[in-house]
Amino acid sequence: ETGVTQSPTHLIKTRGQQVTLRCSSQSGHNTVSWYQQALGQGPQFIFQYYREEENGRGNFPPRFSGLQFPNYSSELNVNALELDDSALYLCASSLGLGQYEQYFGPGTRLTVT
Amino acid sequence: KNEVEQSPQNLTAQEGEFITINCSYSVGISALHWLQQHPGGGIVSLFMLSSGKKKHGRLIATINIQEKHSSLHITASHPRDSAVYICAADSNYQLIWGAGTKLIIKP
Repeated sequence: ETGVTQSPTHLIKTRGQQVTLRCSSQSGHNTVSWYQQALGQGPQFIFQYYREEENGRGNFPPRFSGLQFPNYSSELNVNALELDDSALYLCASSLGLGQYEQYFGPGTRLTVT
Repeated sequence: KNEVEQSPQNLTAQEGEFITINCSYSVGISALHWLQQHPGGGIVSLFMLSSGKKKHGRLIATINIQEKHSSLHITASHPRDSAVYICAADSNYQLIWGAGTKLIIKP
């Protein structure tokens, strides 16, 4: 059983550019959540996907968008990058909605200059 | 007032001490999660509980649903327990995170 993986590990982008971050869920997991963690702060919920549909969204602008594929892997896309988007982006997968443990990937460290 | 509050914010203790970290929440929850985050970012889920008490090795988590309060205890603490411990309320479809407790265990 493989764990949750994320790619890339680190990424440097310029303000105004677009970025795509990827997450492979743990085997058998159909739910993925994405979080943004700024330096020194707790994670903030971005959105959740369940069976390829967005199931909920936090307080993030529309330039943060996502996709979940039939194999339940997932992407987080951020358009028109801003300096404040610099953060650790974490994805977590779970067996389903509700009371299931979430398994976290190692994160992607995004730096916007 | 944050929906999930933890205390203390920072905790330094000697090896072997009994550690308690507290979490209070104001939202309705389906479960309460305790997670551990090491320097570098990796997050590990320690417990998910909706009632009572769970134990795993030296770690014990309790929750009182009526009082909307949970505690994480570490017995016989060890320097390798040094990390940030976060409680998160599972409310609807999202985790609402506490600010975390930075724990340092000195040898």
